[in-house]
Amino acid sequence: SAVISQKPSRDICQRGTSLTIQCQVDSQVTMMFWYRQQPGQSLTLIATANQGSEATYESGFVIDKFPISRPNLTFSTLTVSNMSPEDSSIYLCSVEAGYEQFFGPGTRLTVL
Amino acid sequence: AQSVSQHNHHVILSEAASLELGCNYSYGGTVNLFWYVQYPGQHLQLLLKYFSGDPLVKGIKGFEAEFIKSKFSFNLRKPSVQWSDTAEYFCAVTTIYNQGGKLIFGQGTELSVKP
Repeated sequence: SAVISQKPSRDICQRGTSLTIQCQVDSQVTMMFWYRQQPGQSLTLIATANQGSEATYESGFVIDKFPISRPNLTFSTLTVSNMSPEDSSIYLCSVEAGYEQFFGPGTRLTVL
Repeated sequence: AQSVSQHNHHVILSEAASLELGCNYSYGGTVNLFWYVQYPGQHLQLLLKYFSGDPLVKGIKGFEAEFIKSKFSFNLRKPSVQWSDTAEYFCAVTTIYNQGGKLIFGQGTELSVKP
C-alpha cells in the first residue's frame, strides 16, 4: 500500500493568483497522477507525472495552466495558475502500487 | 473514447435493505475494473477490483461485484446495507489504451442509508 499526504488541505484564493499543491508519498513510486473533482462531478485525470520526464497531460489540460514537477520518486507538485472561479475543485494526487491506485486526501480549492 | 456510466446519481435506502449500483463501461477489449468508495470527509479508497478469473469478486465490508463481459457491466452489490455505508461510490476502469494506471471514473453514486 501507499500513504499519501497533500498540502494544503484547503485554500481560498483570489482570481488571477496561483496555488501550488504538494503531494508526498511514504514509498518510492514510478507513476503519480493528478486528478480534479469539480463540484458534483466525478474525478478527471489532469496528468501523469513520471520521475525524470515531462508530465503527460490529458485532453483539455495544458502545462501552462497546470505545471507539474516531479523531482524525485516520493514527491510531486501541481500548480494551478492564473486561477478563475471555474478552477474551484478538489485536486487529488494518486500513485500506483501493485496494480492498485491509492489516493491522497485531496486539496479543496475555492477561487473567489 | 472509453467511458464509464453509473446509472444512479443518488440512492436512498433503509438499513438492512439490499443494494445494487449499476456500472457500465464502453470498451470492447480487456479491462481492469474497480469500485472506489469515499466516506464523508475521508480519502477515496478501494472497495474491490477485478483483473481476471472469477467474475464475482468480493471486497471489503461485505461488498461484492459481478463482471458480466457480454453486458459490459460491473455492478456493485451488498445484501444488507448499514448506516455506515453512507458514502459516494465510484466505478472506474483501465484499458489497454490507458495503461499505466490511468483510471477512467464514472460519475459517482451517492448512497444515503437511513438508520
